[in-house]
Amino acid sequence: EPEVTQTPSHQVTQMGQEVILRCVPISNHLYFYWYRQILGQKVEFLVSFYNNEISEKSEIFDDQFSVERPDGSNFTLKIRSTKLEDSAMYFCASTRSVAGSGNTIYFGEGSWLTVV
Amino acid sequence: LAKTTQPISMDSYEGQEVNITCSHNNIATNDYITWYQQFPSQGPRFIIQGYKTKVTNEVASLFIPADRKSSTLSLPRVSLSDTAVYYCLVGPNQGGKLIFGQGTELSVKP
Repeated sequence: EPEVTQTPSHQVTQMGQEVILRCVPISNHLYFYWYRQILGQKVEFLVSFYNNEISEKSEIFDDQFSVERPDGSNFTLKIRSTKLEDSAMYFCASTRSVAGSGNTIYFGEGSWLTVV
Repeated sequence: LAKTTQPISMDSYEGQEVNITCSHNNIATNDYITWYQQFPSQGPRFIIQGYKTKVTNEVASLFIPADRKSSTLSLPRVSLSDTAVYYCLVGPNQGGKLIFGQGTELSVKP
């Protein structure tokens, strides 16, 4: 079964450093997402991406965050200058979203980011 | 997006059927109902999705009444490995985002 893959699975970084989290969505999917989950809290939407541009973003997704699809397979989340409160599990997700059907979003296993 | 309400936690025993009900009074005409399962430190895993009536797959059934203001996820004969958080989500198709609530923490005991 096709799956969303994410790297790294775990990263420790110093406050103020830039971090790039990588994702390979399912190959025929058209919509891509990043979510995050702070330890013990609920899964939060960050951003959705379609047709090479951001289609929607949450208030969490401020200027220090950016997303990119640099080639036909990868989808990245960059955090420009990490803060302690960015420590969380970051989930990449994707969907094909065929018209007239439900929006089944498939999630990766996550990248655990620890900012120290 | 329609808000969902589901129990914060439920307990069950191995071999029992578990039914988790979710309320979504403000569901819109083009919204689908989707349930996910999440284990600690893992990504949410799609379980089942439906629009109306009953949907069944190899792991669960989803019951949706005619007014679509609620839905019930039914897990037949649960095992210890079904201990997880279960999320009910309501949202549009065509690439729209899904918004997670707190979910229902299901604990299956031997």
